Amino acid sequence: NAGVTQTPKFRILKIGQSMTLQCAQDMNHNYMYWYRQDPGMGLKLIYYSVGAGITDKGEVPNGYNVSRSTTEDFPLRLELAAPSQTSVYFCASSHTPGGGSYNSPLHFGNGTRLTVT
Amino acid sequence: AQTVTQSQPEMSVQEAETVTLSCTYDTSESDYYLFWYKQPPSRQMILVIRQEAYKQQNATENRFSVNFQKAAKSFSLKISDSQLGDAAMYFCAYRTSQGAQKLVFGQGTRLTINP
Repeated sequence: NAGVTQTPKFRILKIGQSMTLQCAQDMNHNYMYWYRQDPGMGLKLIYYSVGAGITDKGEVPNGYNVSRSTTEDFPLRLELAAPSQTSVYFCASSHTPGGGSYNSPLHFGNGTRLTVT
Repeated sequence: AQTVTQSQPEMSVQEAETVTLSCTYDTSESDYYLFWYKQPPSRQMILVIRQEAYKQQNATENRFSVNFQKAAKSFSLKISDSQLGDAAMYFCAYRTSQGAQKLVFGQGTRLTINP
């Protein structure tokens, strides 16, 4: 199983540019999450989805958009990149709400390191 | 809103010794879950241990155990017989039992193991 796959691994954007961070999972998980991790900080939830066609805002949604047209994919869109969006972005999925059980944990991707200059 | 605080940005321990990482949280809920996640240099987040708030018994997973003090809202992680592979960032996390059950993470503690 591939688990949760994020692309790209690294990206440098200029201010004002846009891009989409891709996230795909092959475990048929309904619950998917986007987090950002700033240096020396914990993860902050950007957006989440409880199933195809359903998304909702997390703690820090401003400047981002998401869609969930299929169970497998949960892309994160940055429309007008700003330096404040420089961060490492993690996508995660789980079979149960929030994950966190040993037999149904929260599966994380390997992250996308984004720099906006 | 719930918050999670890890007051130790960095910790170090000699190999084979025991280390305790601290975590406090704030919530008005009575039913919730607490977790410790490990993030090695590979950046992959790995679940180390979890604790259900309704359980009084402290969770244990091999060399990892917690000290859960519900009234004090404290949730520390003890690593016994530390190994070089334990070196990583450790995050404490809180999850409500309601709604979409999103995780709230602390700032993390970087653990170094000295050989």
